Amino acid sequence: EIVLTQSPGTLSLSPGERATLSCRASQSVSSSYLAWYQQKPGQAPRLLIYGASSRATGIPDRFSGSGSGTDFTLTISRLEPEDFAVYSCQQYITSPTFGQGTRLEIK
Amino acid sequence: QLQLQESGPGLVKPSETLSLTCTVSGDSISRRNFYWGWIRQPPGKGLEWIGSIYYSGITYYNPSLKNRVTISVDTSKNQFSLNMSSVTAADTAVYYCGRVHADYYLTQTWVDPWGQGTLVTVSS
Repeated sequence: EIVLTQSPGTLSLSPGERATLSCRASQSVSSSYLAWYQQKPGQAPRLLIYGASSRATGIPDRFSGSGSGTDFTLTISRLEPEDFAVYSCQQYITSPTFGQGTRLEIK
Repeated sequence: QLQLQESGPGLVKPSETLSLTCTVSGDSISRRNFYWGWIRQPPGKGLEWIGSIYYSGITYYNPSLKNRVTISVDTSKNQFSLNMSSVTAADTAVYYCGRVHADYYLTQTWVDPWGQGTLVTVSS
């Protein structure tokens, strides 16, 4: 099983700032088979990024994904108030697994 | 617009079987290149993949749950279902259904969209 470790656990930033979230895999996630989701309290996850760097339909371009191998990053270029949520990564190169999530909170 | 809706009991007794159904509207569950999956999230914890099914009946199960899980599909009703046997308190979670995209090799990939989720509590 590929274990995904996300850091930091909690990130405190202000609107307008840049957010950088990390997802590290215990084994190489080849073909960039990694996705990112956003989840707000009481809501289902929403797909943001697939294939490590492709934005899902309707996702603003302030969200971007990068990385390969074992290290992946989700960047939010300029935080909007609605971006404060929990972000989870998921690999699907093998039996799908999720990271434990990063909580992005307002500073 | 594709929508998924989970339904089933919100309370299940320990050692019994949890049964949930996901009703798909706005698209056919028989479309190629998509699996239909179940994912759960214990309160305050991260997401866990349970398993998925292709319209033809091909299934995939999380190895840690496969001995207790069965996923089936009813194309005539545009529904798919989850059965999880011998539940314990550790199975208390919000259960989500979702459409799972498949790649060229029919590998299951990302989930989009998701149902709203349903809380299942295991308690006597």
